[in-house]
Amino acid sequence: AQSVTQLGSHVSVSEGALVLLRCNYSSSVPPYLFWYVQYPNQGLQLLLKYTSAATLVKGINGFEAEFKKSETSFHLTKPSAHMSDAAEYFCATRGSARQLTFGSGTQLTVLP
Amino acid sequence: EAQVTQNPRYLITVTGKKLTVTCSQNMNHEYMSWYRQDPGLGLRQIYYSMNVEVTDKGDVPEGYKVSRKEKRNFPLILESPSPNQTSLYFCASSLGDTTDTQYFGPGTRLTVL
Repeated sequence: AQSVTQLGSHVSVSEGALVLLRCNYSSSVPPYLFWYVQYPNQGLQLLLKYTSAATLVKGINGFEAEFKKSETSFHLTKPSAHMSDAAEYFCATRGSARQLTFGSGTQLTVLP
Repeated sequence: EAQVTQNPRYLITVTGKKLTVTCSQNMNHEYMSWYRQDPGLGLRQIYYSMNVEVTDKGDVPEGYKVSRKEKRNFPLILESPSPNQTSLYFCASSLGDTTDTQYFGPGTRLTVL
């Protein structure tokens, strides 16, 4: 069954520094992969998704992720963190047409 | 405005008292689902629906019921809530299946005493 593992439940970066949030997937078939963000007291919203069209996927708010089959990874990056990026980030994979499977989440803290 | 709404947003109840959390979307989406979010566990799917009158179990369906009598509504029913169902619940919808962007509601924080 498809699954994702997020490494690091908490990540802290300084404002202006690189953001790197890690996600590894397990899949026997080419996966669909997603990153969602949850701001405090809100529902989740889509940052970006990989559907095999291109390995480097650009999303909203300056985020991007690179699909690396050899490493079974789909890490999320942003060159320069902003205070407004503080949130919880979830990696997810499509288990089937009917089910999404989410990782356990990574809480990003941005320090001034 | 395109949105998914949930009610109530906050609920404190007691063990065994039946409750319903409503979910409604105004985007004519086919697919709807319910998740619970617990610290360290991420989101786990409870039930999903591919269309009206078509529902199926997710990963953690025990203790929950759903119905999909209208396309826009997908209520979550707890017939006899227990303290282990204390959680943050999210409803989500998408145009087609899970390849499409999921739109999430604002969440319902449920406490069962």
